[in-house]
This record gives sequence, structure tokens and C-alpha cells, in this order.
Amino acid sequence: QLQLQESGPGLVKPSETLSLTCSVSGDSITRRNFFWAWFRQPPGKGLEWIGTIYYWGTSYYNPSLKSRVTVSLDTSTSQFSLTLTSVTAADTAVYYCAKAVSPLAGHWVDPWGQGTLVTVSS
Amino acid sequence: SFVLNQPPSVSVAPGQTARITCGGNEIGTKSVHWYQQKPGQAPILVVYEDSVRPSGIPDRFSGSNSGNTATLTISRVEAGDEADYYCQVWETTSALVVFGGGTMLTVL
Repeated sequence: QLQLQESGPGLVKPSETLSLTCSVSGDSITRRNFFWAWFRQPPGKGLEWIGTIYYWGTSYYNPSLKSRVTVSLDTSTSQFSLTLTSVTAADTAVYYCAKAVSPLAGHWVDPWGQGTLVTVSS
Repeated sequence: SFVLNQPPSVSVAPGQTARITCGGNEIGTKSVHWYQQKPGQAPILVVYEDSVRPSGIPDRFSGSNSGNTATLTISRVEAGDEADYYCQVWETTSALVVFGGGTMLTVL
């Protein structure tokens, strides 16, 4: 059974870089038609998509975050990562990693990781 | 960009049917997916591609999509169905994932 687990610092200072890693277990990160995505949810608010990557390099980003976001994938460790630069308090959120299907198939998402709270504060 | 409109809240008595709508311009031409999120938990996929239930999701959950409205229907509502529900599409023109604002389902 595919499982995903986020890891990384729970506190980041304003203007610094947020870095999170998602560990994938139970299936191959290079399996055909598996895409890997990041989402976030500010406290008390709705879900926001950050970006998606396919193992051979294709990536998609939310235009509102694109200038600050990088999603990368390491097949040797079965992990994919999120980097968000120049963070502000508005980036405080629970961050989720997840497996998605191809955007051509509608990009539905299943399963999700449990989520990790990242607070931006000095 | 493409906007999905959901009612902020829906209330229903146990045993009754809850209908949660997701409105968008010609949403019937897109593939709509629904997620359930309980407090403090990650979202769970309950319907994908308008009306397909993932393995393990009760058949009380169903979906439809036509015209400008997609609907998640929960039959024989139980207390355990109380949660936030989100609709989602892939917006091809802009190449991005779009979520509705979410609907809080309250079981009276």
C-alpha cells in the first residue's frame, strides 16, 4: 500500500527558505502514471495546490507561487522535495505531499500524506 | 482563472440525503473530483472522474456532473460523515489544479 510521509522543519524565519521532503513507500516513485504533488492549507482555510512533478522531469506549478517554488525528485531515495523561497507569514500552513494521476486524466489525488505544519515566524 | 463555487455549509439530519454542489463555467466538460477532510486529518478522495468511487468508499457516496454544476450526494448520512468536502478539477488552459472553497457538512 502506497504511503507518503512529509518531513522538515516546523519553523522557518521570514525571508528564509522552506524545505520539505516526502518519503514514498509501498510502491515505486518511477511507476508509470504516478505523479507527485505538494499542497498546502493555511490554518482554518481551504486547500491550495503548489506543484506537481513526474519522474522523468515534467513539472507543473501554481502560477501564484511559481517564482518561489521548486519541486524535485530523487529516484535513488524514493523521495521528492519542495523548496519555497522568501517565505512570509502568509506561507504558514499545513503542507501535504500526495500522489496524483496525470493532469491529462484530471489530476485526482490519492493518497495524501498526513501533513506537516510549517510556521513562518521570527 | 477557473473558479469553483461551493456553499460554505450544508446541514442534514442523520439518515437523510446531503447534496453538496460545485459550480463552475461549463464544469460539465471537465473531470471533477471530491475530497473529504475531517478536522486535523489529511483529505481523502471520495469520488473521482465525476462519479467513480475509490475502493473502500461506501456506495452512499455518489457524484454527478452536468452543465455548470457538479454534485456530491451522500445518502443515508451518518454522524461520521461530518467533515469538510472539497471539489477539484484540472484547468487545462492554465495548467493548474483548482479547488473549490470547501463545504462544511454538519449532521444535525
